[in-house]
Amino acid sequence: NAGVMQNPRHLVRRRGQEARLRCSPMKGHSHVYWYRQLPEEGLKFMVYLQKENIIDESGMPKERFSAEFPKEGPSILRIQQVVRGDSAAYFCASSPPESRRNTIYFGEGSWLTVV
Amino acid sequence: AQSVTQPDIHITVSEGASLELRCNYSYGATPYLFWYVQSPGQGLQLLLKYFSGDTLVQGIKGFEAEFKRSQSSFNLRKPSVHWSDAAEYFCAVGNNAGNMLTFGGGTRLMVKP
Repeated sequence: NAGVMQNPRHLVRRRGQEARLRCSPMKGHSHVYWYRQLPEEGLKFMVYLQKENIIDESGMPKERFSAEFPKEGPSILRIQQVVRGDSAAYFCASSPPESRRNTIYFGEGSWLTVV
Repeated sequence: AQSVTQPDIHITVSEGASLELRCNYSYGATPYLFWYVQSPGQGLQLLLKYFSGDTLVQGIKGFEAEFKRSQSSFNLRKPSVHWSDAAEYFCAVGNNAGNMLTFGGGTRLMVKP
């Protein structure tokens, strides 16, 4: 049973380019979460999605960031016109559809470097 | 709003010594509490979790944590540290479904030979 799969693991983008990070949840999991870890900091919640729905995006920056979890395929975190401050590790997590006492499982992360 | 504080940014212990990492949380209801470990450049591995019941929770790799409601704490302990335990440790509190986590800033553990 494969875990949460993220790719790419490492991504380098020049300022102004777009970054797309992909996340395939664990088999049977229908909830996906994105977290960001800035250098020397803990993880901060960004967005919570179910298939074709954004449940909570309270942690998403208002501009340039978007996330989706289509009916088919992985979840995508998209960052447009990247800036140096977007350099961070982006972690995806997933959980099963039971409503309580979930444990979320994290992927290995995608490290974005903006040069 | 929920929050987590890990007062110690860095801790150094000798191999074989005991370890306690502190975690204090703020949450209005019964908290769901977690400890994760992260090695450099790696993802997060769940060490243990507390949802309810026995306040002393056993985890993987010989770790345990004790939930103390009166102190709003969930400290992580290990009786004898191994060099391979050197990593960053994160405490987290979850919402009432246990799936939306707020993390502390982390404690970096270094182990001396």
